[in-house]
This record gives sequence, structure tokens and C-alpha cells, in this order.
Amino acid sequence: AQSVTQLGSHVSVSEGALVLLRCNYSSSVPPYLFWYVQYPNQGLQLLLKYTTGATLVKGINGFEAEFKKSETSFHLTKPSAHMSDAAEYFCAVLGGNEKLTFGTGTRLTIIP
Amino acid sequence: NAGVTQTPKFRILKIGQSMTLQCAQDMNHNYMYWYRQDPGMGLKLIYYSVGAGITDKGEVPNGYNVSRSTTEDFPLRLELAAPSQTSVYFCASSSQIYSGANVLTFGAGSRLTVL
Repeated sequence: AQSVTQLGSHVSVSEGALVLLRCNYSSSVPPYLFWYVQYPNQGLQLLLKYTTGATLVKGINGFEAEFKKSETSFHLTKPSAHMSDAAEYFCAVLGGNEKLTFGTGTRLTIIP
Repeated sequence: NAGVTQTPKFRILKIGQSMTLQCAQDMNHNYMYWYRQDPGMGLKLIYYSVGAGITDKGEVPNGYNVSRSTTEDFPLRLELAAPSQTSVYFCASSSQIYSGANVLTFGAGSRLTVL
């Protein structure tokens, strides 16, 4: 079985501030981990993914995430928030079957 | 443009009616999925398919049926619609699910309201 927990359903940061969205996972096998972003009234788009190899992965729009096996975490960060980053962000895990399990999402609001 | 196409985008149903949400992809992907998205609940997997003729249940299959007669199409059928099925439905597809290149491509969604 696999699961994902996203801490904080809503996160607000000021424009230019650090963005940190938290994700913890549970998996019985080495996981593949993903962050997806959903802009209003759209489908989900892949931000970045971790499969194997380097634990710090870089994605689109300046986002990056670090896989920490000891902490079972895959937190998403961006050094400086931009107004266009306002969206809902989903962490997901692929843990040994063909099914991608999503977290409940974190809505990011950027304060001008 | 290549991708996942869902129809309709919006639909209102009365309780007890039936309908089919259509999903088609033109990327020759083997894996296809149906998710529903409810506020604060994230995405829940309804059904998925690993190839033509093969389907399997996800987390929340009750009240739904699927078929996969071709690689391209993966329709989702709602029988006897209920208010609990009011949701936004997303279809997605992928090629080699375990490869390093794997990524799910999502459709734009179908918003269904059952009254």
C-alpha cells in the first residue's frame, strides 16, 4: 500500500518569499515521487519527478524538490515566489503497482 | 496537438439518469486512468487500464463502469447518477509507467453536477 500526506491545505506567502510545500509518503517499495500543479479550471501538469539517482530534482518554473528517504519526505521549494505560482499543488507516489496515489493538495496563495 | 481529450466539459444530470464521459488519447499510451476530484480530497482513482481489454478498479469504483476496447479510448459510464457523483472527473494516460520518462498526461476535466 502507498499513501501521501500533504501538510497544510492552504499556504500563503508574500511575493519574493520562499515557497515550501510539504509532502510525506508511505510506500512498501522504493517510490517514484511526483509534484503536479493545477491552475484554475485546468488539468494537472507535471512540475517535477523523482525516480532514481540524484535526490535533488529540478522542475519547471524554478521549483525543486528533495527526496529524503530517512524522513520519507519530498518537499517542494522555490526560492522566490511569483504571482503566477498561485495554484494548487499535488504530491503523488507510485509505489509498486500501476496506480499513482495523490495527496489532498495544497492551495498556494501569493500575497502582493 | 497530441494529448488527452475529454468530453463533455460540463454536464448536469438528474438523479437516476445515466451518461458516459468520453476520453481519447492519441499518444499510443497503454495506461489510462479515471480520477475524480472533490474539494479538499485530492484526486481519487476510479478505474484504470493497462492496455486494451484490461481494466481494474481503483479506490472509488462504485457507481461507475469502464471499458477499453481500443488503445485510444477509455470511456467512463455512470449508471443511475447520484448527488454523491457530483465532481470533476479527469482522464489521464501514460506510456511506460515505471520508466524514468514516465509522466501522466491529463485531460482538461469534465465537471458533472447531479441534481
